Amino acid sequence: KQEVTQIPAALSVPEGENLVLNCSFTDSAIYNLQWFRQDPGKGLTSLLLIQSSQREQTSGRLNASLDKSSGRSTLYIAASQPGDSATYLCAAWRELVFGAGTILRVKS
Amino acid sequence: NAGVTQTPKFRVLKTGQSMTLLCAQDMNHEYMYWYRQDPGMGLRLIHYSVGEGTTAKGEVPDGYNVSRLKKQNFLLGLESAAPSQTSVYFCASSALRGAGELFFGEGSRLTVL
Repeated sequence: KQEVTQIPAALSVPEGENLVLNCSFTDSAIYNLQWFRQDPGKGLTSLLLIQSSQREQTSGRLNASLDKSSGRSTLYIAASQPGDSATYLCAAWRELVFGAGTILRVKS
Repeated sequence: NAGVTQTPKFRVLKTGQSMTLLCAQDMNHEYMYWYRQDPGMGLRLIHYSVGEGTTAKGEVPDGYNVSRLKKQNFLLGLESAAPSQTSVYFCASSALRGAGELFFGEGSRLTVL
């Protein structure tokens, strides 16, 4: 059974810092991996989708990488801003299992 | 740009009451999903559908029923609500399973007293 773990569970950084969020999965036979953002009391918004044949995807200040062989994905956020404060979740597509998320707080 | 719409957004029930959550999507997606989100447990799949007229069990299906009579709608029913079903429920849809992007509704917060 697929298990998805996100580290750290919570992160607090000063504005402007570059940061990395980690996602690991136990079964490497995934179709793709998707990163989401969730604001308090809201639904999930898709940030990046990495197909299993791809190594990374970029959108603005966000860059997500995928290493299937090691069962890892990272979400890199450049020049963090207070508006980036949210919970970030990763999900491994095959059975679509979600990690518990990383709560990010960017201090101004 | 409606996307995925859930109704109602909030509901309070007494133990034993029944209710139905409605999910509607306007993207012509084949796949639809119902999740529950609980503190410390992340998102867990309740039921899903791979097309009109089909449903399948997810990770935590007990106490819930679903129906997909129309492609754009996916209903989640609680026949006899229990306090353990207090949660935030999310509906999602995707064009493909495993290759496409997943789109979520805003969530429905259910409290069972």
